[in-house]
Amino acid sequence: DQQVKQNSPSLSVQEGRISILNCDYTNSMFDYFLWYKKYPAEGPTFLISISSIKDKNEDGRFTVFLNKSAKHLSLHIVPSQPGDSAVYFCAASARDFGNEKLTFGTGTRLTIIP
Amino acid sequence: NAGVMQNPRHLVRRRGQEARLRCSPMKGHSHVYWYRQLPEEGLKFMVYLQKENIIDESGMPKERFSAEFPKEGPSILRIQQVVRGDSAAYFCASSPRRATDTQYFGPGTRLTVL
Repeated sequence: DQQVKQNSPSLSVQEGRISILNCDYTNSMFDYFLWYKKYPAEGPTFLISISSIKDKNEDGRFTVFLNKSAKHLSLHIVPSQPGDSAVYFCAASARDFGNEKLTFGTGTRLTIIP
Repeated sequence: NAGVMQNPRHLVRRRGQEARLRCSPMKGHSHVYWYRQLPEEGLKFMVYLQKENIIDESGMPKERFSAEFPKEGPSILRIQQVVRGDSAAYFCASSPRRATDTQYFGPGTRLTVL
């Protein structure tokens, strides 16, 4: 039962353009969402998060959008840089329900083309 | 401020042996989480611990796996009588407080069972 889904296993974007990574979830108890970036042989690195009381959160080149009615979130990276090439994981938790464990999607491999 | 430390980074065991994975959380963090990533999959939650307490072990296999986070020293994930299916990357994450903070990940331990 995949409660967090990243339906695009891979994405290629030209350097300088916008990268849009998508994530869907099925569990309506999820109230906190995070994006992590992962390089091979390293641990996930936290990028940005959003609480369910918001619909947008921005941090530098990274913006996360949350559409609760559609149970959908997306990560926008603009402008995309070669160092952004990595696997991106969407994760969710039900913090307000006392459930801190993160449920991860299967990841999207982003490749930035110079 | 040192990040989450995990050791060893690589561990090779033969079937039937025991594997011990160690995790030292970030300074000031008292909550530890263990996740497992099987090849070509996302990270899956295993267990959530505070000092001397297991808070949520809903993701732990029922047999052979155990975890602890003693008052002093690192958190330990112990796998007894390893089998080939235990080969995976095991990641530890830590957070300062419960239910309010982002989890920060260590570099992982890659377990290979021969």
